[in-house]
This record gives sequence, C-alpha cells and structure tokens, in this order.
Amino acid sequence: EDQVTQSPEALRLQEGESSSLNCSYTVSGLRGLFWYRQDPGKGPEFLFTLYSAGEEKEKERLKATLTKKESFLHITAPKPEDSATYLCAAMEYGNKLVFGAGTILRVKS
Amino acid sequence: DAMVIQNPRYQVTQFGKPVTLSCSQTLNHNVMYWYQQKSSQAPKLLFHYYDKDFNNEADTPDNFQSRRPNTSFCFLDIRSPGLGDAAMYLCATSELAYNEQFFGPGTRLTVL
Repeated sequence: EDQVTQSPEALRLQEGESSSLNCSYTVSGLRGLFWYRQDPGKGPEFLFTLYSAGEEKEKERLKATLTKKESFLHITAPKPEDSATYLCAAMEYGNKLVFGAGTILRVKS
Repeated sequence: DAMVIQNPRYQVTQFGKPVTLSCSQTLNHNVMYWYQQKSSQAPKLLFHYYDKDFNNEADTPDNFQSRRPNTSFCFLDIRSPGLGDAAMYLCATSELAYNEQFFGPGTRLTVL
C-alpha cells in the first residue's frame, strides 16, 4: 500500500536554529515528490517538486532533497514567519498524490 | 493573479440538509480535484476531473457527488451531511495529471 510518513509530528525551534524535516515514502513508481506549506485555516501552498534521487531545490531558507526512500526539507536560520505545517506528498504511477500527515513547525523569536 | 477560488469560505449546515460547495479557477488547468481534510490529518482525495472525465476514489462515500459544468468551475455536493463530514474541503487544480497541484483557500464545513 502506498504510504507517506512524516517526522517529527511537531518541531519547536528558536529563531536561527536550523533543522530538517523528514518524509519517508513507499509508493509504486514515484512520479514526483511534492512539498507544501499550510498555514492554519488555509489551503496548502506549493513549494517544490523533486523528480529523481539526488535532486535538490532551494527557495529562500528552505532546501528540499530526495533519495530513493525519503525526502528532507532543510530549514536554515528559520524565522517566526516560517511557522506552519509542512506537508509532503508522493505522486504514484497512477498520478495520485499520497499525502503525509505533516510536520507542525513553530519558530520562536 | 491567476488563482483557485472557493466559496463559501465557511459553511454551516444541519444534519441531513444538502449542501453545495463551489470552486472556480482562472489558471485554465485541465484537472480539478476535491480533497477532504480533517483536523491534523492529511488531505484525502475524494475525486477529480481530467477535463470532463470524472474519476471517483474507491472509498469516497456515495453521499458525495461532483459536477464540472465547464473548465473553470467545479462543485462538490454533499447530499445528506453527517456529523462525520465536518471538515475542511479543498479544491485544487493542475495543468496535467502529473504536475504540481495548486490549492484554493478551502471551505470549512460545520454540521450541526
């Protein structure tokens, strides 16, 4: 069964304290790995797509990487405005997105 | 700005009273999706349209129906809402089925 697991469930950081979020996936024929940011009461906001192992993408303080079994979202020197739930989703061969439950990130100043 | 719009943002209905949620897009994307998201859970795909072709997920209850009258609009009908249907309903679009999906702000449904 296709499955996406994110860890940790919640993460509290001090402003400037870098860390990483993990996304482990088991899908039949990965077509892409997607990262989204979701603020409370809002829809997910697209961040990155990764297609093959070894691929990396960056946007401001965020950097996403992909291996054959997992993806990491690295957050460098986070700010309070980076606080949100980060969702990972794997697209399987049939083009269906399988979402993880998300990591709730809180950055304190 | 091109976007995905959902109306209403908040909907309150009574147990068993039909409700319709709407989604429109200015992106001119071929694919439109409806997801259900309960508190602290992952979004769950209910169904999607590739152009006019309707695709229902196997575990989507019969209580949920959808219509896509044209490229820009898609509707989610809940025929007899139960307490368990209270959730955030998210509409998303993508240009092609394997592209990134862009989400609307969601409709928060409360069932009394």
